[in-house]
Amino acid sequence: DAKTTQPTSMDCAEGRAANLPCNHSTISGNEYVYWYRQIHSQGPQYIIHGLKNNETNEMASLIITEDRKSSTLILPHATLRDTAVYYCIVRVVVADKLIFGTGTRLQVFP
Amino acid sequence: DTAVSQTPKYLVTQMGNDKSIKCEQNLGHDTMYWYKQDSKKFLKIMFSYNNKELIINETVPNRFSPKSPDKAHLNLHINSLELGDSAVYFCASSLEGVANEKLFFGSGTQLSVL
Repeated sequence: DAKTTQPTSMDCAEGRAANLPCNHSTISGNEYVYWYRQIHSQGPQYIIHGLKNNETNEMASLIITEDRKSSTLILPHATLRDTAVYYCIVRVVVADKLIFGTGTRLQVFP
Repeated sequence: DTAVSQTPKYLVTQMGNDKSIKCEQNLGHDTMYWYKQDSKKFLKIMFSYNNKELIINETVPNRFSPKSPDKAHLNLHINSLELGDSAVYFCASSLEGVANEKLFFGSGTQLSVL
C-alpha cells in the first residue's frame, strides 16, 4: 500500500504557482520523498526527490517539513502542459521499488 | 533516441492467446521493471530485474513470465490471456545501487483482451 495521502484533484491558473501537498506521516528516517507525474497516455516522469532538505531543479521545488511528515511540490509558473496526475511516493529503499498511490490530478486552466 | 522503448504500443488480442511485449533501455541501467496500470489508473509493480536476475515478483500469476536476455532488455510474455489482463503495461529502468535512484519509464503498451 502507498504510504502517502494526496488530494484527489486541484486546479491552477496558468502562470500561477501550483502547490501540491502530500502527507507521509509514517516515513522512516532513511526514506526519500519522490515526485513523479503522468501526463495523459504517457509513462510516469520523474520530477524531483529529497530526504530532508528542500530541493529545487529546473522543473519544480520540493519543500519538506522539518518533521518530514509532509511535503509540498511547487511548480512555480504552471503551464497548460503541466496538466497531469502527480504522484508523491515514499521510497521503500530496501525493497527497491516505487509504490504509487492515487496521486493528485492537477488541471491547469487558461 | 528514446531512453526506454516498448513495443508494441497497442496490442489487441483474443482471450487464450499468448503475447509478448518487448522493452529495451539504452541508458546503461542495471535494473528494469514492469508496472501494470489498470482501468482505475492504479500503477502497480509486477517485476524487477537486476542484471538479468529476478529481484521482485509481486505475486503476479505465473502466466506472466518476464525474460531478460541481457541487462538492456526485459520482455514480458503472457500466456493464456484473460480479460482482466487488459491494462497499460509500463517498462522502466534505473541505476542499481544508488539509494536515491530515479526510474525512467517507457511510453506504455496498451493491451486489450477481447
